Amino acid sequence: GENVEQHPSTLSVQEGDSAVIKCTYSDSASNYFPWYKQELGKGPQLIIDIRSNVGEKKDQRIAVTLNKTAKHFSLHITETQPEDSAVYFCAATPIYNQGGKLIFGQGTELSVKP
Amino acid sequence: DGGITQSPKYLFRKEGQNVTLSCEQNLNHDAMYWYRQDPGQGLRLIYYSQIVNDFQKGDIAEGYSVSREKKESFPLTVTSAQKNPTAFYLCASSLDRGPYEQYFGPGTRLTVT
Repeated sequence: GENVEQHPSTLSVQEGDSAVIKCTYSDSASNYFPWYKQELGKGPQLIIDIRSNVGEKKDQRIAVTLNKTAKHFSLHITETQPEDSAVYFCAATPIYNQGGKLIFGQGTELSVKP
Repeated sequence: DGGITQSPKYLFRKEGQNVTLSCEQNLNHDAMYWYRQDPGQGLRLIYYSQIVNDFQKGDIAEGYSVSREKKESFPLTVTSAQKNPTAFYLCASSLDRGPYEQYFGPGTRLTVT
């Protein structure tokens, strides 16, 4: 089945620096790739997503890039702020796109130091 | 306010007891999902439902049961057969026939002793 690998598992940056989190997926038929932010003790919140017919998408300080050939996608956060500190999850649709199912990466704990 | 509610936020049970976690949504979404999250881990799918009166097992369904009698509600029962039930449980919903964005509830932290 589909497998999503996420790296790094932890990431520490200085406030104002950029942060990049990478995910690889195994199923070339995957066509939807969301990113979620989870703060401590809360449910994940969708922050940005990209579909397979697009190579890049931006929303203010966050952007996602997709390389379908290499089967990887990345989250880029620029000008990081302490409130960006959270766990970030990537996800991809599984093989045969079973309804709305998503396969999640293991998560990246981002720490932004003031 | 549209959204997904889960109750209670914290739940404590003794080993051997069944417990039911509530999930309600007023987003008019057809599909609903239950995930389990262990410390430092990703999200693992327990059950999902794309339509009322129908649901499918996810990757870790053993020891859990669900029902979908109403579009708005998707309760999860953690049975005594679940060997390690202590975890953070998350409910989500989306429009049917993905891929569509999944929206998550605030979660229920279940502790079984």
